Amino acid sequence: SAVISQKPSRDICQRGTSLTIQCQVDSQVTMMFWYRQQPGQSLTLIATANQGSEATYESGFVIDKFPISRPNLTFSTLTVSNMSPEDSSIYLCSFLPGVNTEAFFGQGTRLTVV
Amino acid sequence: DAKTTQPPSMDCAEGRAANLPCNHSTISGNEYVYWYRQIHSQGPQYIIHGLKNNETNEMASLIITEDRKSSTLILPHATLRDTAVYYCIVRMNYGQNFVFGPGTRLSVLP
Repeated sequence: SAVISQKPSRDICQRGTSLTIQCQVDSQVTMMFWYRQQPGQSLTLIATANQGSEATYESGFVIDKFPISRPNLTFSTLTVSNMSPEDSSIYLCSFLPGVNTEAFFGQGTRLTVV
Repeated sequence: DAKTTQPPSMDCAEGRAANLPCNHSTISGNEYVYWYRQIHSQGPQYIIHGLKNNETNEMASLIITEDRKSSTLILPHATLRDTAVYYCIVRMNYGQNFVFGPGTRLSVLP
């Protein structure tokens, strides 16, 4: 199965700054997703990262706050912009090797905004 | 919203079978039942999935009722390392994302 690498694994950031999280898969995959997991909560989908076009965002998430890139079939980035303490969460990338498969998840980026 | 209902927490003695229930009474005919778990501070890990028939792999067994309205994940010999949050998810296999509910926090006790 494909191997997924997400970095950084954790970071502590100042409010008002931005952080870009990278997700690299070692083979081409059909779909990639970004999730957020707030403290003590379950995972919530932020957006589907579309290769070569704008990401598809879920209700409550906007491109200005969470810009996403997916330049090819193996790589995607999520930026958390103009951060506030409320953005402190674990951010996870996920991919589907094919449309009829299970999803695989990265180990997550634990973000703390101070 | 998640289409499943799970108990918020369960305990299991080490070495015994852990049986985790999931209700999905509104499941449609082309939706699969998936199970994931999340060990503290890690990304979710795929366990097993099925459509109608019972399934078994090296990690667990999945028992789906005949009417498909509920299922049970069985960890045959639970160990302390199986302590995690277990998520039951229903999903069509057409490239859809996975919608996570609150899951069941399983504690395996020595």
